[in-house]
Amino acid sequence: AQSVTQPDIHITVSEGASLELRCNYSYGATPYLFWYVQSPGQGLQLLLKYFSGDTLVQGIKGFEAEFKRSQSSFNLRKPSVHWSDAAEYFCAVGASKGYSTLTFGKGTMLLVSP
Amino acid sequence: NAGVMQNPRHLVRRRGQEARLRCSPMKGHSHVYWYRQLPEEGLKFMVYLQKENIIDESGMPKERFSAEFPKEGPSILRIQQVVRGDSAAYFCASSPAGGEGYTFGSGTRLTVV
Repeated sequence: AQSVTQPDIHITVSEGASLELRCNYSYGATPYLFWYVQSPGQGLQLLLKYFSGDTLVQGIKGFEAEFKRSQSSFNLRKPSVHWSDAAEYFCAVGASKGYSTLTFGKGTMLLVSP
Repeated sequence: NAGVMQNPRHLVRRRGQEARLRCSPMKGHSHVYWYRQLPEEGLKFMVYLQKENIIDESGMPKERFSAEFPKEGPSILRIQQVVRGDSAAYFCASSPAGGEGYTFGSGTRLTVV
C-alpha cells in the first residue's frame, strides 16, 4: 500500500526567506508525485508533478521539487517566500499519470511572518 | 473554460437527513473522483467514476454513501441518514481520458448538527 508522510505539521518562515517542505513516500513501483496547495476554504491547486525524467521539477508560483529515489523523498522548495504563500501544502502519490487514486499526506501548514 | 464546479459550497444537515453533493467536471473531462477531508487530515479517496460507471469505490463507507455519474448532468455524492462524523469537506476532481493528474473543485463543506 502506498503512503505519504509529511513530518512537519506547521512551519513558520520569515518573508523573503527560503522554504523547504518535506515529503516522504512509500510505494513499491515508480511513483507519480504531486504537490498541491490549499488556501483556507478553497480547493486544491496543483503546484507541480513528477512523472519521470529530470528529478528537479519546476512548478507554478516559483516552487520546485526534487525527487530522490534513494531517500523516497519529494521535497518542495522555494528560494524566497512571499506572504501570499501562507497556506496548507499537501504531497500526494499516485500509481499512474492519469486516472488513479491519490494518497495524500496530512499536510503542512505554512505560516509567513513579516 | 470553467473549472470543476461543486455545489453547494456549504451544506448544513440535521442528523438523519440526506445530503446530496453535486460536481460538474471540467468540459471534456470524463473521469470524476470524490475525496473527503476530515479536520486536520489529508484528503482520503472515496470513489472514482466514469460516465455511468463506478470504477473504484474502495474508499466509500459500506453503508449510507453512494455516488453516481450519469450520462447527462453532474456527478452526485449522496449521504443518507447523516451523522455528526460525516461533517467534513468533500472534494471532487476531474480528469480527461489519458490525462496527467487532475483538477480539484473548491469543495462542499458539510456540517451535521
